[in-house]
Amino acid sequence: QQQVKQSPQSLIVQKGGISIINCAYENTAFDYFPWYQQFPGKGPALLIAIRPDVSEKKEGRFTISFNKSAKQFSLHIMDSQPGDSATYFCAASKNQGGKLIFGQGTELSVKP
Amino acid sequence: DVKVTQSSRYLVKRTGEKVFLECVQDMDHENMFWYRQDPGLGLRLIYFSYDVKMKEKGDIPEGYSVSREKKERFSLILESASTNQTSMYLCASSLVGNQETQYFGPGTRLLVL
Repeated sequence: QQQVKQSPQSLIVQKGGISIINCAYENTAFDYFPWYQQFPGKGPALLIAIRPDVSEKKEGRFTISFNKSAKQFSLHIMDSQPGDSATYFCAASKNQGGKLIFGQGTELSVKP
Repeated sequence: DVKVTQSSRYLVKRTGEKVFLECVQDMDHENMFWYRQDPGLGLRLIYFSYDVKMKEKGDIPEGYSVSREKKERFSLILESASTNQTSMYLCASSLVGNQETQYFGPGTRLLVL
């Protein structure tokens, strides 16, 4: 079963716009929620992460919003740039020695 | 600078062949992972190793095995490649712990004919 569901599968945004990617999880034991960014031809790299004791985390133009009661979290990219065009993966983990469960991925394209 | 390297970027094999994918990390990480990446399915964990000679099945271990004889090296083995194993394979490593960053290699795109 898919424990972390991510949407949309693809997203096209104009330069300067806001990109929003959503994830939902089922297991309330998850306690760490990272987002990874993958450029073509590269492996994913950690972008930003949040723990469930806070509702929002911001790093530059990237913000994670976390809703514990709804079991949802989302990535917001403000002032989206063509250089943000990549595939984004949300993930979740519980205390299992470092294993992550990834969402299906979102391919973001930012048009100039 | 942290580095995870994978032995091949592209690989073409025939059905039934034995395939070895190798991954090396230079960060002295305890954990190493093998994932496959398929469109619409995200990253799915095949196998995980938390120490030398230790391994744990992930979500999709069928048709795969692994070997970790040295801390820095983690090999994925396809005993008898099949066309449904055509995919992108990603290796990652991390320090031990629940919330440690995983560092990924560039991936190996495997085509099984």
